[in-house]
Amino acid sequence: GAVVSQHPSWVICKSGTSVKIECRSLDFQATTMFWYRQFPKQSLMLMATSNEGSKATYEQGVEKDKFLINHASLTLSTLTVTSAHPEDSSFYICSARGGLAAESQYFGPGTRLTVL
Amino acid sequence: GQNIDQPTEMTATEGAIVQINCTYQTSGFNGLFWYQQHAGEAPTFLSYNVLDGLEEKGRFSSFLSRSKGYSYLLLKELQMKDSASYLCAVLDSNYQLIWGAGTKLIIKP
Repeated sequence: GAVVSQHPSWVICKSGTSVKIECRSLDFQATTMFWYRQFPKQSLMLMATSNEGSKATYEQGVEKDKFLINHASLTLSTLTVTSAHPEDSSFYICSARGGLAAESQYFGPGTRLTVL
Repeated sequence: GQNIDQPTEMTATEGAIVQINCTYQTSGFNGLFWYQQHAGEAPTFLSYNVLDGLEEKGRFSSFLSRSKGYSYLLLKELQMKDSASYLCAVLDSNYQLIWGAGTKLIIKP
């Protein structure tokens, strides 16, 4: 149990376009979902925390107008990178909490974004 | 501030035992996690400790001392596939995960 999926696994886009990444909890209801970004050889950086039906809470330094998060249901959260630029190229990972152990977070497989 | 320290890199030999340490200073404590992350992949859950002591799960064990703000992950009978980064993370008083920078473990034949 406690499976989280992400789509797409990887995406290449042109500078200036927007990219949407989906995160789904497949076998449990995720009361909270987290979005992380990870640059090569660095640790995870929390971007934002979202609770179903409410606005996401963004970490300091993360532009909420650039990284749009929608947590529309207990099983789905989306991250939209608007007007993407090459510096947004990164590994984006979502995680969800609310499964067997409320304290545990279960990670999606990640989305590799490359902006040309 | 909140801080989690773990070694940047460790090297060990196949078949041996390695211990990866993690010390933390956080605002509140609701448990400590260890995750394994292979290059290019998302982290996978290894262990969760909220009480003092040793938790054993197959070849992997995790220890916690809350009074010392200290944990370690012990890997036995090392295999080449154990080469990965190992991330220590603490759940703080707001139930936010505070992440360490990770320890890259290199296994040599």
